[in-house]
Amino acid sequence: RKEVEQDPGPFNVPEGATVAFNCTYSNSASQSFFWYRQDCRKEPKLLMSVYSSGNEDGRFTAQLNRASQYISLLIRDSKLSDSATYLCVAPAQGSGTYKYIFGTGTRLKVLA
Amino acid sequence: EAQVTQNPRYLITVTGKKLTVTCSQNMNHEYMSWYRQDPGLGLRQIYYSMNVEVTDKGDVPEGYKVSRKEKRNFPLILESPSPNQTSLYFCASSFREGYEQYFGPGTRLTVT
Repeated sequence: RKEVEQDPGPFNVPEGATVAFNCTYSNSASQSFFWYRQDCRKEPKLLMSVYSSGNEDGRFTAQLNRASQYISLLIRDSKLSDSATYLCVAPAQGSGTYKYIFGTGTRLKVLA
Repeated sequence: EAQVTQNPRYLITVTGKKLTVTCSQNMNHEYMSWYRQDPGLGLRQIYYSMNVEVTDKGDVPEGYKVSRKEKRNFPLILESPSPNQTSLYFCASSFREGYEQYFGPGTRLTVT
């Protein structure tokens, strides 16, 4: 099983729709999680950090389910400008080590 | 302006010719990291550093070297580049491990 897994999509949704992505992780000791947005060939930009059960920022909501080891990202009232790839990140930490593991991303296309 | 800078942004080189990609951050961050991004494989961590003089391997360290002599700089060295190192490279930094990372603009490397 991959350490961090995402559905690659693409998710094609009309403007104004609500869309949700899931991301599963394998390391049950992970404490902090992140969602990034990446536009084609550009650097990833932080969308949301998730340290406890969830986080909300405007139209975006992230939820963490530790029992089932997944985090979700919900986008309400989708805009054309939300079209991008969404990357989920979970840590892999050990004694004196700390790595960030990225999922391969979920592509979202918002259609007019 | 708080930022992570990388140079060069684009580089075409030949097999075996040593090269260095520089990375610098002005946020006094402790944790710095290098990633490569390839189609279908997502972002994979090459090396990371949790502080000055402390570096460790990520998931794909073969063929790369790094150093962290100063807090702000974290250069990536390819001693003998090969075509399979053709990729998009990102440098990132965070306050410390476990916190959100901020990414540089990326370096597109082609090795012929």
